[in-house]
Amino acid sequence: QKEVEQNSGPLSVPEGAIASLNCTYSDRVSQSFFWYRQYSGKSPELIMSIYSNGDKEDGRFTAQLNKASQYVSLLIRDSQPSDSATYLCAISKVGTGGGNKLTFGTGTQLKVEL
Amino acid sequence: DGGITQSPKYLFRKEGQNVTLSCEQNLNHDAMYWYRQDPGQGLRLIYYSQIVNDFQKGDIAEGYSVSREKKESFPLTVTSAQKNPTAFYLCASSISPGNYGYTFGSGTRLTVV
Repeated sequence: QKEVEQNSGPLSVPEGAIASLNCTYSDRVSQSFFWYRQYSGKSPELIMSIYSNGDKEDGRFTAQLNKASQYVSLLIRDSQPSDSATYLCAISKVGTGGGNKLTFGTGTQLKVEL
Repeated sequence: DGGITQSPKYLFRKEGQNVTLSCEQNLNHDAMYWYRQDPGQGLRLIYYSQIVNDFQKGDIAEGYSVSREKKESFPLTVTSAQKNPTAFYLCASSISPGNYGYTFGSGTRLTVV
């Protein structure tokens, strides 16, 4: 079982719709959860972080975390063509020495259609 | 502006040749990381460093080497022992200790010719 699992997609949504991206993880001691957006040929960009159960909203983005179900999701409201990208889920836990290592999923490709 | 600079953007390596990828940050971050990205495989951790003069192997360290002589710099050498080096290489940094997200550089695309 992979530590972080995502559906590779592509997930296609019409412009203006809500895009829902999902991620599951296997290590219950994971402490921090992140969503990165990666455009083709570019490096990942951090768009959301979430540390406790519940929802966290930032503009059109909402991250949802359920530690009991080991599940984290990203909702994108009013999807725009510029949201078309690959979205990477990443989890973290503090290791020995206090540092953290992120483990990434393989990403979900989102396509927002006109 | 603070950020991470990777160079070169594109790099071509001949068989049996060692090459070094540069990574410099001015974010005053203690921790730095090297990832490799292949199509369909996500990001895989090569090496990471939480403090100057110390670094640890990640999941796929074989055929790679690093150094951390300065807080700002974390160069990665791809040696001839790495049999399949063609990939997109990403350097990242973060505040340490603690659970923080990473800031990534723009990446280096390495191709074997």
